Amino acid sequence: DIQLTQSPSFLSASVGDRVTITCRASQGINNYLAWYQQKPGRAPKLLIYAASTLQSGVPSRFSGSGSGTEFTLTISSLQPEDFATYHCQQLNSFPLFGPGTKVDIK
Amino acid sequence: QVTLKESGPALVKPTQTLTLTCTFSGFSLSTSGKRVSWIRQPPGKALEWLARIDWDDDKFYSTSLKTRLTISKDTSKNQVLLTMTNVGPVDTATYYCARTQAYYDTNYYPQYYFDYWGQGTLVTVSS
Repeated sequence: DIQLTQSPSFLSASVGDRVTITCRASQGINNYLAWYQQKPGRAPKLLIYAASTLQSGVPSRFSGSGSGTEFTLTISSLQPEDFATYHCQQLNSFPLFGPGTKVDIK
Repeated sequence: QVTLKESGPALVKPTQTLTLTCTFSGFSLSTSGKRVSWIRQPPGKALEWLARIDWDDDKFYSTSLKTRLTISKDTSKNQVLLTMTNVGPVDTATYYCARTQAYYDTNYYPQYYFDYWGQGTLVTVSS
């Protein structure tokens, strides 16, 4: 079975920082990856699918890249509303989520 | 405007059967290509996909839970139901329903992601 890991599990950052989160798959998954943002007590929100396609309405400071086994989510300039937990998800008939990365205020 | 909302019991006793309802608007499950999934998240833990139902009544289940899950739809009511049998404390979680979209790769093989989510409903399993 494919496993997803995310690093770091937790990061502290300041407003304006460039933030990069990594998701690794235990075997190649082409570009079959999505990213979600989740705030406490709220449902996840789709940010990116197919590794790099920005969902409609999502700010352009969010970007995704990668293929195969390593993927990254980058926030070019962290905004106050971006402090949240970020999840990656493998896209296939039996979707799998990563463990999450919490982005907190430094 | 697409919306989804989950409903069901907040507290269930061990060994009982849990039934959850997802009521949605803004799309129809009788339309080709439409799909709805159930996903859960135990407190402080990762998201876990549970099941999916498609417009043509195809159904897919998590390998680890498929013997306990049944997903169904009532197209006339715009509802998707999920039943889970023989629940235990490990099933305590927030349960979400989500509209499921397909992205077709170069081989035209579908890959699935979730573009609209309900607010979630917390289910606690305890005696």
